[in-house]
Amino acid sequence: NAGVMQNPRHLVRRRGQEARLRCSPMKGHSHVYWYRQLPEEGLKFMVYLQKENIIDESGMPKERFSAEFPKEGPSILRIQQVVRGDSAAYFCASQGQGAAQPQHFGDGTRLSIL
Amino acid sequence: DAKTTQPPSMDCAEGRAANLPCNHSTISGNEYVYWYRQIHSQGPQYIIHGLKNNETNEMASLIITEDRKSSTLILPHATLRDTAVYYCIVRVGIVNAGKSTFGDGTTLTVKP
Repeated sequence: NAGVMQNPRHLVRRRGQEARLRCSPMKGHSHVYWYRQLPEEGLKFMVYLQKENIIDESGMPKERFSAEFPKEGPSILRIQQVVRGDSAAYFCASQGQGAAQPQHFGDGTRLSIL
Repeated sequence: DAKTTQPPSMDCAEGRAANLPCNHSTISGNEYVYWYRQIHSQGPQYIIHGLKNNETNEMASLIITEDRKSSTLILPHATLRDTAVYYCIVRVGIVNAGKSTFGDGTTLTVKP
């Protein structure tokens, strides 16, 4: 039973480019969360999605950032016109349908902005 | 989600039990206690969770006080590979409960 898969593991972009981060949840999981972790800091919630719906995007910057979780395929976190401050580790977690189910995390995408 | 308070760091001798405390004095009746750990820069790893009864699995034991205002994660025989940041989180136990709020956690260092 494969865990949460994130790709790429490392992504390098120049300022002004776009970054696309992908997350495939565990099989059968329909809830996906994105978190960001700056160096030497804790995880900060960004967005919570269910299939085809954004449930909570309170932690996601209003500009340049967007997320989707289509009916088919992985969840995508998209960052447009990246800036140096976007350099961070981005983690995805998925959760099953049962009550009190824990979130299971992928190993993240390390985004570096040149 | 209720806030949690954890000591910033702890040391433990290899082979001994590691007891990591967490205070969650404002926990609500429908909130569960979850423990995760993050080893170096990997993704957080789920360890265990519970509501009010003590829980045990192959990784650890979770002891929750009767008033539910605090809990302790116990690693019975710590190894060097258990060195990590441990996070205690409280969260409503329903399907669409939403985000987990991570604090600063406890950095556990297991020493030979």
